[in-house]
Amino acid sequence: DTEVTQTPKHLVMGMTNKKSLKCEQHMGHRAMYWYKQKAKKPPELMFVYSYEKLSINESVPSRFSPECPNSSLLNLHLHALQPEDSALYLCASSPQDGVFGYTFGSGTRLTVV
Amino acid sequence: EDKVVQSPLSLVVHEGDTVTLNCSYEVTNFRSLLWYKQEKKAPTFLFMLTSSGIEKKSGRLSSILDKKELFSILNITATQTGDSAIYLCANRGGNNAGNMLTFGGGTRLMVKP
Repeated sequence: DTEVTQTPKHLVMGMTNKKSLKCEQHMGHRAMYWYKQKAKKPPELMFVYSYEKLSINESVPSRFSPECPNSSLLNLHLHALQPEDSALYLCASSPQDGVFGYTFGSGTRLTVV
Repeated sequence: EDKVVQSPLSLVVHEGDTVTLNCSYEVTNFRSLLWYKQEKKAPTFLFMLTSSGIEKKSGRLSSILDKKELFSILNITATQTGDSAIYLCANRGGNNAGNMLTFGGGTRLMVKP
């Protein structure tokens, strides 16, 4: 299995909703990442997990809450989002030393209404 | 702050043409430079470059890194319509606590029949 799987593929949520994005990989990668990509912009790093511990938080608002239950799973919990949070959310994973580069999931296209 | 700049921003060519995409970087902790192709969703890994002057090649695509002048180029020969995409270059920085990708703004390539 050489894929990173993200669910759901599309999500529409209201500003008062609570939802979660899920990411799963079975490549034995010990580093996992969340990126946010707005239209016509490059991906921007949000969070990095290393050995299931949060190692980097790029000053992301608290309405985004990451969770890494185990080495194969990464969640992003969403609460009280704003319309400007609408974007493509990409999950990625890599070996801890990243020698072979990252593998990205197909992303979740989030729309906040 | 790490900075990755790509040029041109966009490019329109005809099938069979050869294109060269540029990526320059200013980073505090260089580990490697990566190239990705992004069509609709997930960026697809193309190359990872760590050493200067060594060309990496995959079919009609090739890439090289110059660590002295801090840039990389991606060449595509005999372009095809399927090469139409956004090409992203990224610096892999960070430390053992996590790998951070800082993306350039991308080059949008359109190949016309």
